[in-house]
Amino acid sequence: AQRVTQPEKLLSVFKGAPVELKCNYSYSGSPELFWYVQYSRQRLQLLLRHISRESIKGFTADLNKGETSFHLKKPFAQEEDSAMYYCATNVITGGGNKLTFGTGTQLKVEL
Amino acid sequence: DVKVTQSSRYLVKRTGEKVFLECVQDMDHENMFWYRQDPGLGLRLIYFSYDVKMKEKGDIPEGYSVSREKKERFSLILESASTNQTSMYLCASSPIQGNTEAFFGQGTRLTVV
Repeated sequence: AQRVTQPEKLLSVFKGAPVELKCNYSYSGSPELFWYVQYSRQRLQLLLRHISRESIKGFTADLNKGETSFHLKKPFAQEEDSAMYYCATNVITGGGNKLTFGTGTQLKVEL
Repeated sequence: DVKVTQSSRYLVKRTGEKVFLECVQDMDHENMFWYRQDPGLGLRLIYFSYDVKMKEKGDIPEGYSVSREKKERFSLILESASTNQTSMYLCASSPIQGNTEAFFGQGTRLTVV
């Protein structure tokens, strides 16, 4: 079964410092991978997906098939980046799309 | 503006009660999902559905059932609520195509006493 693992429950960095939120996946096929973010008192929302290869709010994530990783990175953390971040994977099954999430990493950006 | 709406923001129910959580989406999405969100455990998939009357078990279906009688509505049912089902419940929907964004509801905080 597909699975994503986020080893860190909490990551605390200073403003301006680089950020790396780790995500590893286990899936034998071609994975569909995403990062979702939940800001305080807001809905969970998509941050970025691996297929788009884009930068959103300064964040990027590269799929590394050799290491089965999809780490989220940002060179300079900002206070507004403080939020809960979830790595997710989608598998198309005979019964539709099964979208599963990791346990999440709380990012705290300190001044 | 896309919308996934959960019928209640907060619910308090007694142990043993039958509980219905309702979710409606207005985007004509085929896929709908129910998760529970617990600190340290992340989002865990309870059930998902890709079409009317179709449902698939997620990773933690025990103690839950679902109903999808119309495309836009996906209901989560707790047949006999227990205190360990106290949690935040999130509904989501997405199109049938892969690599697409899922849209989430605002969540229902259920407390079982």
